[in-house]
Amino acid sequence: DQQVKQNSPSLSVQEGRISILNCDYTNSMFDYFLWYKKYPAEGPTFLISISSIKDKNEDGRFTVFLNKSAKHLSLHIVPSQPGDSAVYFCAAVEIQGAQKLVFGQGTRLTINP
Amino acid sequence: DAGITQSPRHKVTETGTPVTLRCHQTENHRYMYWYRQDPGHGLRLIHYSYGVKDTDKGEVSDGYSVSRSKTEDFLLTLESATSSQTSVYFCAISESGRNTEAFFGQGTRLTVV
Repeated sequence: DQQVKQNSPSLSVQEGRISILNCDYTNSMFDYFLWYKKYPAEGPTFLISISSIKDKNEDGRFTVFLNKSAKHLSLHIVPSQPGDSAVYFCAAVEIQGAQKLVFGQGTRLTINP
Repeated sequence: DAGITQSPRHKVTETGTPVTLRCHQTENHRYMYWYRQDPGHGLRLIHYSYGVKDTDKGEVSDGYSVSRSKTEDFLLTLESATSSQTSVYFCAISESGRNTEAFFGQGTRLTVV
């Protein structure tokens, strides 16, 4: 039972353009969402997060949007740079609950020069 | 970088043998997690801990056990390793409450032959 889903295994974007990564969740009790970036042979690193009381959070080139009614979140990267090429995972947690941090399957983003 | 260390980093073991992976933290974080990463499945939660001697199951806990006798150490044991447990294992730590950003270790690549 996959509670967090990333339906696009891969995404290819031209350098300088916008990258949009999507994530869906099924558990309405999730109240905090995070995006992680992972390079080969390294552990995932935190990128950006959003609380369920917000619908947008911005940090430099990265913006996360949350649509609670649709149980959907997205990560926008603009402009995309070659160093953004990595696997991106979305994650969700119930802060008021068991603090079980659940991840999606990941999307491999490739930025083409 | 958060003080989190996984050992060993690589291990090859035979089917049917017991294996223990160690996660050590110096951050005094309350929550610790074990994940496995497999192609097409992303990061799947095996077990997690919310305090000393307090642990709970994740999505894929069958065949695994954990122990946390000290705040800083979280051990993952494969009682009798199988080829399906060949994977990359990641440990993560986080604080509770609003600061739920989790920090990951470098991973352990386990091969069961």
